[in-house]
Amino acid sequence: DIQLTQSPSFLSASVGDRVTITCRASQGISSHLAWYQQKPGKAPKHLIYEASTLQSGVPSRFSGSGSGTEFTLTISSLQPEDFATYYCQHLNGYPITFGRGTRLEIK
Amino acid sequence: EVQLVESGGGLVQPGGSLRLSCTASGFTFSDHHMDWVRQAPGKGLEWVGRTRNKARSHSTEYAASVKGRFTVSRDDSKNSFFLQMNSLKTEDTAVYFCVRDSNNYSFDYWGQGTLVTVSS
Repeated sequence: DIQLTQSPSFLSASVGDRVTITCRASQGISSHLAWYQQKPGKAPKHLIYEASTLQSGVPSRFSGSGSGTEFTLTISSLQPEDFATYYCQHLNGYPITFGRGTRLEIK
Repeated sequence: EVQLVESGGGLVQPGGSLRLSCTASGFTFSDHHMDWVRQAPGKGLEWVGRTRNKARSHSTEYAASVKGRFTVSRDDSKNSFFLQMNSLKTEDTAVYFCVRDSNNYSFDYWGQGTLVTVSS
């Protein structure tokens, strides 16, 4: 199975900060990586697919990059509504797996 | 507008069975693979299983943790998707989400989730 290792698992930041979350795959997954945002009690929201393509309606302060085994999600200027938990996911075969999540909290 | 609405969750005893349903609207259901994803209380996301679209003959895939106990199925004529859960264990307690595959290597729409509690 392909394991996804997210880091950090917890991140404390302020409004206006630039933050980066990393997702490393245990083997190459081409660009078949997606990112999701989840707020407490809600379903995850799809942010990015194919490593770097922004889902329609997602603010441009979100960006993704990477291919192969190393990927990043960057938020260029944190807004109050961005404080949430973020998950990466691979869809390069089965089983589909998610990273363990990065909890982003207000400093 | 794409909508996914789950139903069928509840409390069940260990060893019991439960069937979840998901009703879809707002898109051509038969064109999309459909998946179930679960989230145990306070934990992360876990993919459970998939049924592929009509073009891929509705073939299925499962996570190892549920293979042989859970069955995914669909009825394209009713825009519906199902998860039959047998031999339930306490560790199957979770919110179960019905999810649409975007056809672009991601899950673009999620239902609101339905809670399954396995407890005696």
